[in-house]
Amino acid sequence: GDSVTQMEGPVTLSEEAFLTINCTYTATGYPSLFWYVQYPGEGLQLLLKATKADDKGSNKGFEATYRKETTSFHLEKGSVQVSDSAVYFCALRQQGAQKLVFGQGTRLTINP
Amino acid sequence: KAGVTQTPRYLIKTRGQQVTLSCSPISGHRSVSWYQQTPGQGLQFLFEYFSETQRNKGNFPGRFSGRQFSNSRSEMNVSTLELGDSALYLCASSLFRGATRQEGRNNEQFFGPGTRLTVL
Repeated sequence: GDSVTQMEGPVTLSEEAFLTINCTYTATGYPSLFWYVQYPGEGLQLLLKATKADDKGSNKGFEATYRKETTSFHLEKGSVQVSDSAVYFCALRQQGAQKLVFGQGTRLTINP
Repeated sequence: KAGVTQTPRYLIKTRGQQVTLSCSPISGHRSVSWYQQTPGQGLQFLFEYFSETQRNKGNFPGRFSGRQFSNSRSEMNVSTLELGDSALYLCASSLFRGATRQEGRNNEQFFGPGTRLTVL
């Protein structure tokens, strides 16, 4: 079945550092790919998405590119802030379905 | 407009009891999905409802069930609770089912804050 693998956390960085969180997937066909963020005590918020190969999703300074050849969707941000501290989830969804398949999540802590 | 609401936010039960969780989707949304979040298993899909019909079900025992009402509100029920059922239960709503590529592109799922269930 479909699966998503994220880099293990936790990840701790200093403010203004460059961030990369790796995500690879195994799936048939052409799923849509997502990054969700979860702040303490809250549900998930969609951060960005890409629906086809070579699409780049971006939001709030975060970016991720749908790479079909490497089955990857790595999350990047050039300069992180303390407010980016949260848990980040990579996910996929097959076309025509609602079910999201999530990675294990990566806890990110940004120190001032 | 109001987001997805889930009630109650916190719940404590004992083994063997049953529990019902409620989810009110964003107004106009017709699709509701449920997920279980635990430290060990992460986020796992429970089921999806659309137009009062269960459209998809995850790999959970029959103790887990749900339903959707005509106003799109959804409930999930867990019977004969076990310690391992302790988790954060998240509900997500969206406009469509995403059955077509066009629907899928614009069919963002909005998550509620979750219900934290503790089984003692």
